[in-house]
Amino acid sequence: ETGVTQTPRHLVMGMTNKKSLKCEQHLGHNAMYWYKQSAKKPLELMFVYSLEERVENNSVPSRFSPECPNSSHLFLHLHTLQPEDSALYLCASSQEVGTGSNEQFFGPGTRLTVL
Amino acid sequence: GQSLEQPSEVTAVEGAIVQINCTYQTSGFYGLSWYQQHDGGAPTFLSYNALDGLEETGRFSSFLSRSDSYGYLLLQELQMKDSASYFCAVRLDDKLIFGTGTRLQVFP
Repeated sequence: ETGVTQTPRHLVMGMTNKKSLKCEQHLGHNAMYWYKQSAKKPLELMFVYSLEERVENNSVPSRFSPECPNSSHLFLHLHTLQPEDSALYLCASSQEVGTGSNEQFFGPGTRLTVL
Repeated sequence: GQSLEQPSEVTAVEGAIVQINCTYQTSGFYGLSWYQQHDGGAPTFLSYNALDGLEETGRFSSFLSRSDSYGYLLLQELQMKDSASYFCAVRLDDKLIFGTGTRLQVFP
């Protein structure tokens, strides 16, 4: 257990559905991240939040909408996704953004399939 | 752009030593990290090199040479549980950029 939980672990949705991914960290960290992991591709950073403020948006399509209501919770709202959005979505947290090793603690991920 | 290249797959036997290389075309980064990810699991932090040279943590060591744009992870006394994917990552201001990943298979 890394102290970062994600729900749901698996999600199947149609292209017209709206769903949300949830991430919670129990480590007292100030920074949280969303990553996309597709087969045979590097981990792709999507969003970075520091103290509930978005500090990085890595050219992610607007059909992905993040929300960080407090430093312990992070959501990823999904709507009108495409089949190529099927991937493992990983949440991570770190003590701060941009200090030291920026060691990140990852959740187990949500395996998303878009039909 | 920023890119980090790793071999896609490495195989070895129990008890052996294996080196996973990471070559990068990235400038202005703060340090090089390594993460391990078992199938179906979350990436977990292994090591960080802020300076050139070798960092040792038990059976794992990591090396960085900025002049050669190169780093590696060295795994000694391999065990079956070391079978996993290994990612290098460079730290930029507020984010990590990850490499392509190397899948290590350890055989008995």
